[in-house]
Amino acid sequence: DAMVIQNPRYQVTQFGKPVTLSCSQTLNHNVMYWYQQKSSQAPKLLFHYYDKDFNNEADTPDNFQSRRPNTSFCFLDIRSPGLGDAAMYLCATSRDRQVPYEQYFGPGTRLTVT
Amino acid sequence: EDQVTQSPEALRLQEGESSSLNCSYTVSGLRGLFWYRQDPGKGPEFLFTLYSAGEEKEKERLKATLTKKESFLHITAPKPEDSATYLCAVQAHTGNQFYFGTGTSLTVIP
Repeated sequence: DAMVIQNPRYQVTQFGKPVTLSCSQTLNHNVMYWYQQKSSQAPKLLFHYYDKDFNNEADTPDNFQSRRPNTSFCFLDIRSPGLGDAAMYLCATSRDRQVPYEQYFGPGTRLTVT
Repeated sequence: EDQVTQSPEALRLQEGESSSLNCSYTVSGLRGLFWYRQDPGKGPEFLFTLYSAGEEKEKERLKATLTKKESFLHITAPKPEDSATYLCAVQAHTGNQFYFGTGTSLTVIP
């Protein structure tokens, strides 16, 4: 089945220790998104890739970076995690972005910062 | 400023008790409105896309409707397995971002 896969599902890191979360998709979609979702809050868009074109949201901290080496994979790098970065990180894809194509989400990675 | 507001924040229903969830939005030109279901500890699952006022979509016990200012998700004769958080998101013509609401947490009691 075509899908969005995130690894790991649970990640524990120490304060200030870099961490990388990964996302892969078999949908062959052009657009990949990273969201941060804290408890009982709406998902917050961090950035997205339209093909190889990187689009950062204005309020995304510099501590968050992303890489998309090919169509299928996208990575979220947190350079120096703080306690406030503990959250669920969601990867999503959509076929395109100009037309209102729906987004398909992965299961998320729950990040804990100790 | 574009924004999405969902109400109520939480809703408890008896099994079989129909109700509606509301999503009101202010956006500079609606490109699309989306409904998602999110189970605890999981990513949102796509339910519906609505593009223009007057449009309706149905799936099993769920029916989504859209006006120029709001969308409703009607749940008919809900079952306990319908318990989840239901998220609404809108996409504006100006830009590509999805604006999510904070969701309605639905609990259906057997």
